[in-house]
Amino acid sequence: DGGITQSPKYLFRKEGQNVTLSCEQNLNHDAMYWYRQDPGQGLRLIYYSQIVNDFQKGDIAEGYSVSREKKESFPLTVTSAQKNPTAFYLCASSHLANTGELFFGEGSRLTVL
Amino acid sequence: AQSVSQHNHHVILSEAASLELGCNYSYGGTVNLFWYVQYPGQHLQLLLKYFSGDPLVKGIKGFEAEFIKSKFSFNLRKPSVQWSDTAEYFCAVNQGGKLIFGQGTELSVKP
Repeated sequence: DGGITQSPKYLFRKEGQNVTLSCEQNLNHDAMYWYRQDPGQGLRLIYYSQIVNDFQKGDIAEGYSVSREKKESFPLTVTSAQKNPTAFYLCASSHLANTGELFFGEGSRLTVL
Repeated sequence: AQSVSQHNHHVILSEAASLELGCNYSYGGTVNLFWYVQYPGQHLQLLLKYFSGDPLVKGIKGFEAEFIKSKFSFNLRKPSVQWSDTAEYFCAVNQGGKLIFGQGTELSVKP
């Protein structure tokens, strides 16, 4: 089945720990994105990548890091520097970077204890 | 920088009522506009999109939206809602390869 797979679906971590969220797509899409969803704030862009080995900061990149070593993979690391990491994280991809037609994964819910 | 505003945070309607959700964006010029929907427990999916041409666009499940350039608006409408339309709706604008989302509107439809 073609689509975007995010894992884990639920994740708990202690303060001060880094955690990496996985995002894999088999749609052969060039562009991939990470968004953070918080109640009443919609989706805010963390990082995006239009081609392999290249990525750009979004609106709320502080405390996060990404890599894009393979076309199908775009993992997000939530570092201990992120002040408010508890959130729902959504990964998305698009065939062409400038179309805006995104396909989303089911999300990963991170809770910091 | 582009921003998107959705004025209604939570809308409650009875079945068969008409729906209109507001969306305004801040930046002029050529824009690509979208509405996405997130049904309970499901992933976000595209409802409809506007790139150019007819400003009245039709999407899935009977939804439509009208692009009014002079008002920087892209409101979502449906003549008669159903209980299954209960979801969160997001307006979005494409800016330089990035999709900028509004805050979202939660729609609750009472049976």
